[in-house]
Amino acid sequence: SQQGEEDPQALSIQEGENATMNCSYKTSINNLQWYRQNSGRGLVHLILIRSNEREKHSGRLRVTLDTSKKSSSLLITASRAADTASYFCATEINAGNNRKLIWGLGTSLAVNP
Amino acid sequence: EAGVTQSPTHLIKTRGQQATLRCSPISGHTSVYWYQQALGLGLQFLLWYDEGEERNRGNFPPRFSGRQFPNYSSELNVNALELEDSALYLCASSLGADTQYFGPGTRLTVL
Repeated sequence: SQQGEEDPQALSIQEGENATMNCSYKTSINNLQWYRQNSGRGLVHLILIRSNEREKHSGRLRVTLDTSKKSSSLLITASRAADTASYFCATEINAGNNRKLIWGLGTSLAVNP
Repeated sequence: EAGVTQSPTHLIKTRGQQATLRCSPISGHTSVYWYQQALGLGLQFLLWYDEGEERNRGNFPPRFSGRQFPNYSSELNVNALELEDSALYLCASSLGADTQYFGPGTRLTVL
């Protein structure tokens, strides 16, 4: 079944470094969204990028989308300890008359002070 | 503006019992989504309600059910609880398409 797959599963970096996470998917999408989850709590929406967009920025976050490769990347620049969290990508697809979000398993990011 | 709220925060039940989880969406949002996040697994879609109707259902047995009330709040009911139902249950709301806003979740433990 179609699923967003994040890579790597876990990432550990030093404060100030950049963190890059990737997401791959299998079928056509309406949009791709990135979410953050702190320590088993609810998810926070970060960025949504539509299928006709290639790049979006929000503060220290940069998301790219390559529909030919069916992949997206999330770059966090100048990371901080507070960025430590799990990051999930979700792809919105059409499912009959409805739309559906397909979630990946997430990348666990640890930013060490 | 208040975000999505869920209750209870934690719930401990024994096998065979029934659990009821509640969710209040952001004011004005008509869609409510339920997800299960078991340990070590990603988010698994459970149910989507919009305007009081069930719009979509994930690959879960019928003992997982729910409803959406006229004020758009929602309940998730899990009958005949099994040990593997232990998970974080997340509710999200949205208005129309795109972004979903998540609540803090209910941690269900089945003993």
